[in-house]
Amino acid sequence: GDSVTQMEGPVTLSEEAFLTINCTYTATGYPSLFWYVQYPGEGLQLLLKATKADDKGSNKGFEATYRKETTSFHLEKGSVQVSDSAVYFCALRVSGGGADGLTFGKGTHLIIQP
Amino acid sequence: KAGVTQTPRYLIKTRGQQVTLSCSPISGHRSVSWYQQTPGQGLQFLFEYFSETQRNKGNFPGRFSGRQFSNSRSEMNVSTLELGDSALYLCASSGGRELNEQFFGPGTRLTVL
Repeated sequence: GDSVTQMEGPVTLSEEAFLTINCTYTATGYPSLFWYVQYPGEGLQLLLKATKADDKGSNKGFEATYRKETTSFHLEKGSVQVSDSAVYFCALRVSGGGADGLTFGKGTHLIIQP
Repeated sequence: KAGVTQTPRYLIKTRGQQVTLSCSPISGHRSVSWYQQTPGQGLQFLFEYFSETQRNKGNFPGRFSGRQFSNSRSEMNVSTLELGDSALYLCASSGGRELNEQFFGPGTRLTVL
């Protein structure tokens, strides 16, 4: 079956530090890849996505590149802010509007200290 | 455009009871998915509905069921509640050109005592 593996953390960084959250996947088909963010007490918000190999998703300073050869979709940000503190989820869904839901990683708790 | 709404936001039940949660998708979205989020198991797919038909179901017991109405609103029901059913239940809708992109509601926090 499909699966997503990501570092669980917590990951603690100082403000303005460089961020990398690793994400690797296995999929039975050709997946679309996503990063979602969850702030305390809230639902999930889509942060960025990529639907085919070598696509780069970007939003709010975050970036991730779909690497088919390494089955990875690592999340990066050049300079984090305290407001980036949240839980980040890597997810996949097999393309074609497939009948299966999103498959999520366990989530990475990110803490940014001022 | 209004986002996905879920009601109620918080719910407390006792073991053995049943519960119904409601989800209203983004206007125009015909697909609604449900997920369970717990600290131990993380986010797990429950089921997806499209045009009133269940398209797929995750690995959950038959106590978990759902339905979708003609206006795309969806409900999920859990019967004979167990302590382990305590979780955040998230609903997501998708539609239009980006069928793979799901938009999530704020969730319903269910506590089973």
